Amino acid sequence: GIQVEQSPPDLILQEGANSTLRCNFSDSVNNLQWFHQNPWGQLINLFYIPSGTKQNGRLSATTVATERYSLLYISSSQTTDSGVYFCAVDLTGGGNKLTFGTGTQLKVEL
Amino acid sequence: GAVVSQHPSRVICKSGTSVKIECRSLDFQATTMFWYRQFPKKSLMLMATSNEGSKATYEQGVEKDKFLINHASLTLSTLTVTSAHPEDSSFYICSARDGSGGVGETQYFGPGTRLLVL
Repeated sequence: GIQVEQSPPDLILQEGANSTLRCNFSDSVNNLQWFHQNPWGQLINLFYIPSGTKQNGRLSATTVATERYSLLYISSSQTTDSGVYFCAVDLTGGGNKLTFGTGTQLKVEL
Repeated sequence: GAVVSQHPSRVICKSGTSVKIECRSLDFQATTMFWYRQFPKKSLMLMATSNEGSKATYEQGVEKDKFLINHASLTLSTLTVTSAHPEDSSFYICSARDGSGGVGETQYFGPGTRLLVL
């Protein structure tokens, strides 16, 4: 099946720092979504980004589908950004089922 | 944005009992809902796809008689963990797709249900 790997697995930042999270996937996809899972377990949709670049406030994402990767940029990080970030892909011909990546655990410290 | 609720948020039960978890799309109709399971510090694993008015489709390795899914309406899907055992303890999350079933539609996730089987 499709492999979805995220890096780094863990990341500790000082408040105000910038970071880049990466998502590599092994096959062509129809859809890619980025999520933030907060400490209570709720998954929050960040981006629906099968290709191209999008920005929302301090967050932006870029997907290069032909090279099978996506990047999530967090600028001026805040303690509320802490949690786990997942990318998830919908495999071409996969029936709209999402396969989640391995996740990046982010901790932002004061 | 689209809102998905789950009930209960947390449940503790004795081994051998059955537990029902509800997933509702509050402001949209969802012909398809999905059920995931997440172990501590792990990623989400898809268990099954729930289709309104038809049988659920289970992923490989998921026991359909153990995890009963019913998608009775366009806004409600239920997951029943039958004869629960301690190894069924986990975080269960549902999602719903807001759309007519086209390729690449966004999924929205419920807040999850923490199940602890004693």
